[in-house]
Amino acid sequence: NAGVTQTPKFQVLKTGQSMTLQCAQDMNHEYMSWYRQDPGMGLRLIHYSVGAGITDQGEVPNGYNVSRSTTEDFPLRLLSAAPSQTSVYFCASSANRRTGTEKLFFGSGTQLSVL
Amino acid sequence: AQKITQTQPGMFVQEKEAVTLDCTYDTSDPSYGLFWYKQPSSGEMIFLIYQGSYDQQNATEGRYSLNFQKARKSANLVISASQLGDSAMYFCAMREGYFGNEKLTFGTGTRLTIIP
Repeated sequence: NAGVTQTPKFQVLKTGQSMTLQCAQDMNHEYMSWYRQDPGMGLRLIHYSVGAGITDQGEVPNGYNVSRSTTEDFPLRLLSAAPSQTSVYFCASSANRRTGTEKLFFGSGTQLSVL
Repeated sequence: AQKITQTQPGMFVQEKEAVTLDCTYDTSDPSYGLFWYKQPSSGEMIFLIYQGSYDQQNATEGRYSLNFQKARKSANLVISASQLGDSAMYFCAMREGYFGNEKLTFGTGTRLTIIP
């Protein structure tokens, strides 16, 4: 009954470092996505995937890479961290692309600070 | 232009009173969906309610209902008989376009505080 699992929960990076935020879901969901949440700005879509092997950009993709080699996993990579990437990151998934009524299931979030 | 507008940054409501959180949206697509999520201080995002653009009736989920006024492009969340546990951030979000497009656009949120 894990749902969407994100790791780590907290991370501090220095400018220029790289890292990968992990996201895994055990619900066999087709759709997975990454959002970032900044104060006063709500959640903004970074990248999303409609199935294994398929990814696309969202509203704020610059500085981030994703891949979807399996249905379960959707890691988010920061290639060269910048202070502007300090944020809370959420991974989300949903089941049924064909109805459009399926809610997004969110992970618990990763709080990232870039110094 | 903002696609989702939540004009109330913060609200204070007495316990047991009903509360309405405002949300207006902007889209030219005839097919869309509207969502409300709750984010307590612990940080997780909790789905509350969904309204599709073609739904004839307003959505309800327990104490939550969505006052959907299509012509005015508003989708206000109504919480009846508020409880202390309702204190949280509330986000309105929209999916545009064809079924299966799960990209959501979020508003900036309303922080609701329930006063005992």
